[in-house]
Amino acid sequence: EDKVVQSPLSLVVHEGDTVTLNCSYEVTNFRSLLWYKQEKKAPTFLFMLTSSGIEKKSGRLSSILDKKELFSILNITATQTGDSAIYLCAVSGTYKYIFGTGTRLKVLA
Amino acid sequence: DAGITQSPRHKVTETGTPVTLRCHQTENHRYMYWYRQDPGHGLRLIHYSYGVKDTDKGEVSDGYSVSRSKTEDFLLTLESATSSQTSVYFCAGGGWGTDTQYFGPGTRLTVL
Repeated sequence: EDKVVQSPLSLVVHEGDTVTLNCSYEVTNFRSLLWYKQEKKAPTFLFMLTSSGIEKKSGRLSSILDKKELFSILNITATQTGDSAIYLCAVSGTYKYIFGTGTRLKVLA
Repeated sequence: DAGITQSPRHKVTETGTPVTLRCHQTENHRYMYWYRQDPGHGLRLIHYSYGVKDTDKGEVSDGYSVSRSKTEDFLLTLESATSSQTSVYFCAGGGWGTDTQYFGPGTRLTVL
């Protein structure tokens, strides 16, 4: 059965800290892995990863994929209160995406 | 994503009544998806469509049906709503594989 597991489930940090969010997967016919940020509304797209070892970067956020070990990490450096959200990982299999349950990040001022 | 809208945005209904949620897109996405999101479960796929009149079931399809008569619209129907279908429903469009997926704003459905 396809599955995506995210860890930790929740995390509380202080502004300025660096955090690493994890996503491991077992999905048939893997094609890509996506990261989303969800505040009190719809998920918004952050990154799509298809190749191992190639870091995607956007400002203070970066992500990398390891297709051999079947996992991805999302790093956030110099965290800000605006980074507080649920971070979702999704992996595409045949025609569809499997989502993890998310990591809830809270950044304290 | 402004290209995907959902209606209604909020709905309260009673057990046993039929409910239809509408997803409309202006981005010419071939693939469209309906998810529900519940605490502790994340986003779970209900049904998806890979073209006009081409649909398939997701992991939680029982009690739901869908229709896609044209590219722009993807309808989700609860034939006889139950309290267990109280949830937030998201429509998404885009692709799978090497394409990404964009979400509509969501519909909060409460079944009393």
